[in-house]
Amino acid sequence: ELKVEQNPLFLSMQEGKNYTIYCNYSTTSDRLYWYRQDPGKSLESLFVLLSNGAVKQEGRLMASLDTKARLSTLHITAAVHDLSATYFCAVGRSGGGADGLTFGKGTHLIIQP
Amino acid sequence: GAVVSQHPSRVICKSGTSVKIECRSLDFQATTMFWYRQFPKQSLMLMATSNEGSKATYEQGVEKDKFLINHASLTLSTLTVTSAHPEDSSFYICSARSSGETQYFGPGTRLLVL
Repeated sequence: ELKVEQNPLFLSMQEGKNYTIYCNYSTTSDRLYWYRQDPGKSLESLFVLLSNGAVKQEGRLMASLDTKARLSTLHITAAVHDLSATYFCAVGRSGGGADGLTFGKGTHLIIQP
Repeated sequence: GAVVSQHPSRVICKSGTSVKIECRSLDFQATTMFWYRQFPKQSLMLMATSNEGSKATYEQGVEKDKFLINHASLTLSTLTVTSAHPEDSSFYICSARSSGETQYFGPGTRLLVL
């Protein structure tokens, strides 16, 4: 059974600081996703990581994937208040993308001025 | 980007009634659609995988007779919660993918069963 663990589950940080959210998963997978969810809203796709060593960046967010360690990270650089949200990582369970995703519990991020 | 819609956005119903939720891919053909459920302050849990023209595949612990899924076309999947009970109250979110790896999520449907 695929398990996805995120940490921390809750993070309060100040604007301008850097921080990293970690996502570990238990079995081999070829797809790792990061999503953002605002309160009461659905999910916004941030990154799709498909290969070992993949690194993607969008604005102040950067995601990476190490398939050998079964670890992905979401790094936040010089955080701003607008990045406050819940961030989920999710892992595809088998090759080809046909299966649904297994989600981590989410990291509730609060960025204070 | 690809857009997925859901209807209704929220619904309140009495216990014992059935509720149908629609999920549509608006600007692409979705070979596969997925239904997830999210309880307050929890993560998303996959309920079932729906392929156009075939029976849905349900996750362990999800009652297929209670959560009826129909994927009638490449742009529409429906989830019917039959004989709803208060414990079925949740946020139901669908997602769709075409040929690529990205799953696009709908805005969700908030169901409250009284």
